Amino acid sequence: AQSVTQLDSQVPVFEEAPVELRCNYSSSVSVYLFWYVQYPNQGLQLLLKYLSGSTLVKGINGFEAEFNKSQTSFHLRKPSVHISDTAEYFCAVSITGGGNKLTFGTGTQLKVEL
Amino acid sequence: GAGVSQSPRYKVAKRGQDVALRCDPISGHVSLFWYQQALGQGPEFLTYFQNEAQLDKSGLPSDRFFAERPEGSVSTLKIQRTQQEDSAVYLCASSLGAFREQYFGPGTRLTVT
Repeated sequence: AQSVTQLDSQVPVFEEAPVELRCNYSSSVSVYLFWYVQYPNQGLQLLLKYLSGSTLVKGINGFEAEFNKSQTSFHLRKPSVHISDTAEYFCAVSITGGGNKLTFGTGTQLKVEL
Repeated sequence: GAGVSQSPRYKVAKRGQDVALRCDPISGHVSLFWYQQALGQGPEFLTYFQNEAQLDKSGLPSDRFFAERPEGSVSTLKIQRTQQEDSAVYLCASSLGAFREQYFGPGTRLTVT
């Protein structure tokens, strides 16, 4: 079975500073990778996804992530964060040929401070 | 346009009561998913429908949990004889099809007292 690890439960960062949220996965088969953002009392919103092709994926709100197969990682980055980026971020995987269900990590709370 | 809606948004149930949670997917979305999100955790898969067919129910934690989507649109997640460990946010998501983006609703927060 596949699994996702987000080691950082909380990441504080000052506004306009860069940020990286880490995600590592484990799977014996090929995977699709996703990052979702969850604002308080709202549903999950897709930031970006990796299905195939270029390992550098660009998403909404200036976020990007890089798929690294050898390190089984899919870290999320943003060069300059804004107060409005404060939210919970979830990394997720689904396995190819295994249906469409997502396996999520435990989430990273990004707190942007002035 | 309208997104995925869920009702009620909040539900308080006494232990042993039955509850029914509703999900209205985006019109035309054939795939529908239910996830359970415990406090401080990521969502966990419960079950998946393609149209009215329940193709995967491997995540349902016990036979007290039952989901249906009789006409391939609205879905209901039913929990019988609720227990305290059922307290969580229940998320519904829909998509156009396999491996298409899943759009999530705001969730129903269930508290069992």
